[in-house]
Amino acid sequence: GAVVSQHPSWVICKSGTSVKIECRSLDFQATTMFWYRQFPKQSLMLMATSNEGSKATYEQGVEKDKFLINHASLTLSTLTVTSAHPEDSSFYICSARLRTAANTGELFFGEGSRLTVL
Amino acid sequence: AQSVTQLDSHVSVSEGTPVLLRCNYSSSYSPSLFWYVQHPNKGLQLLLKYTSAATLVKGINGFEAEFKKSETSFHLTKPSAHMSDAAEYFCVVTLNQAGTALIFGKGTTLSVSS
Repeated sequence: GAVVSQHPSWVICKSGTSVKIECRSLDFQATTMFWYRQFPKQSLMLMATSNEGSKATYEQGVEKDKFLINHASLTLSTLTVTSAHPEDSSFYICSARLRTAANTGELFFGEGSRLTVL
Repeated sequence: AQSVTQLDSHVSVSEGTPVLLRCNYSSSYSPSLFWYVQHPNKGLQLLLKYTSAATLVKGINGFEAEFKKSETSFHLTKPSAHMSDAAEYFCVVTLNQAGTALIFGKGTTLSVSS
């Protein structure tokens, strides 16, 4: 099956540090990748939709200057949390859509990246 | 408007007993529906999906779900729970016919006791 890999899986940083999280589709091309944020015991909140070669579309309430998304290739999207603060501590999950003609909407999810800001 | 409701935030069962996780949806067209499972500190794993083919969908790990259009439901079941089934389960529906976005339910925590 299709595999999506996130790196790092866990990062701890000091307040004010910028942290980059990578999302890679390992064995398929993904025209669209999604970034989610998940708070403890809550569902996933869609942050932004990332299309290869174009600017990301952010959901309402998500600061685009705070959460920089780059989708430079069909297999890589990055999320950079700029000047991270403790309230940015969360579990960030990416997903990728398989690039096929039959689009059933199925997404493949990464393992998630836990960000802890001290 | 599209929406998905998971009727139980927490379900507790004993090992070896049946599992029922309920999900209702609202859609203006025939949506695709999915169940995902998330174990602690892990990403999401697809259990099964419905995409307008057979209404009874079989997934991994013995789970299955039945799409009932008349009841707008897509409940997840398993005949016999295993300890390793303890996790968070999300019912998901496509936001639009193009399938370019998904709506997640709030999740159901399944606890399995020995």
